[in-house]
Amino acid sequence: AQSVSQHNHHVILSEAASLELGCNYSYGGTVNLFWYVQYPGQHLQLLLKYFSGDPLVKGIKGFEAEFIKSKFSFNLRKPSVQWSDTAEYFCAFLSYNTDKLIFGTGTRLQVFP
Amino acid sequence: DAGVIQSPRHEVTEMGQEVTLRCKPISGHNSLFWYRQTMMRGLELLIYFNNNVPIDDSGMPEDRFSAKMPNASFSTLKIQPSEPRDSAVYFCASSSGTQPQHFGDGTRLSIL
Repeated sequence: AQSVSQHNHHVILSEAASLELGCNYSYGGTVNLFWYVQYPGQHLQLLLKYFSGDPLVKGIKGFEAEFIKSKFSFNLRKPSVQWSDTAEYFCAFLSYNTDKLIFGTGTRLQVFP
Repeated sequence: DAGVIQSPRHEVTEMGQEVTLRCKPISGHNSLFWYRQTMMRGLELLIYFNNNVPIDDSGMPEDRFSAKMPNASFSTLKIQPSEPRDSAVYFCASSSGTQPQHFGDGTRLSIL
């Protein structure tokens, strides 16, 4: 079955710490990959996406993610987090035979000043 | 672009009542998705439409839930009769082809 695993359910960091959130997907074919962010009380917003080309993609607010095909991974990184990055982060993929996004269960990030 | 528009933003009603949630997708988007988000179950896809046709409704919890898309610019999600366990935030999203989905602000539903 197609699925996304986000192994970190809750991450707590201090400001300026580096961040890496894990994401692994289960699908053998070509995929489009996404990270969405949901700030408290708000809707999901696109952070970044990977369709093809350079496996290192840069998104908004200093976030980046690296697609490693051999590991079926698409980890999210940020070198120095800010208090305003406190949010829930969702990894998702879109397989080529469907319009349906497969979401992970989300990772709740709390950043303390 | 106005984005995906959902109404109402908040709904509080008593159990047994009919609830109708509304969504206007982004103009030109041909796919529309209804999600439910709760603390316990996270984000769940309920149903999605492509070119106004329901493609996958396997996530609809039970017969009390129904969704329609009478035209490309409007969709409804109806719960009848509503139950307290239906309390959640319901999101509508739309997309075009394989482009990222754009989410609305959601409807926070509370069933008393």
